[in-house]
Amino acid sequence: AQKVTQAQTEISVVEKEDVTLDCVYETRDTTYYLFWYKQPPSGELVFLIRRNSFDEQNEISGRYSWNFQKSTSSFNFTITASQVVDSAVYFCAPTGGYQKVTFGTGTKLQVIP
Amino acid sequence: DGGITQSPKYLFRKEGQNVTLSCEQNLNHDAMYWYRQDPGQGLRLIYYSQIVNDFQKGDIAEGYSVSREKKESFPLTVTSAQKNPTAFYLCASSPLWERENIQYFGAGTRLSVL
Repeated sequence: AQKVTQAQTEISVVEKEDVTLDCVYETRDTTYYLFWYKQPPSGELVFLIRRNSFDEQNEISGRYSWNFQKSTSSFNFTITASQVVDSAVYFCAPTGGYQKVTFGTGTKLQVIP
Repeated sequence: DGGITQSPKYLFRKEGQNVTLSCEQNLNHDAMYWYRQDPGQGLRLIYYSQIVNDFQKGDIAEGYSVSREKKESFPLTVTSAQKNPTAFYLCASSPLWERENIQYFGAGTRLSVL
């Protein structure tokens, strides 16, 4: 079974600041996928990024980037130049054996104008 | 527009009453899921269905029941056996029951006890 730790319960930043959301996971699976989802105040979760355990190359997609380090079981997510619309709860979610997603407890991000 | 529709948005349950939450998708996805979200917690899996006429218990299935008679529909019934039903319920779907699949979510149903 997977276990996910998102140690940051709430983060507040001023608009245009960069912010990094931390995620540490535990898994016995040798291959797995890692996801980040965003839950705005409306309640509907929205997919952001996905990474498989074979590929540790870090990427940038627009204002989003992620740092995946298999050796430390971390999958951190960075928003560059934050905007008020980024205010939401962000969930890290690994998926391994049995194809069931395990969601972390989430990090609530507040971007102050 | 393709997506997942959950109804109602708000639901109130009386003592001893069963209530049913609706979830409909027009994405032609095989897999569907029900999650429960409590304040300050992540999502916990209640039931999932890999394909029509098949469903499996998730981590917290006690007090809940589901059916999957049609590909596009996966209703969740909260029975009177569920003693603490107040929560936010989210339905999701994915193309297949594969771990790399992205899940697509509905807007949720907030259930409260009268």
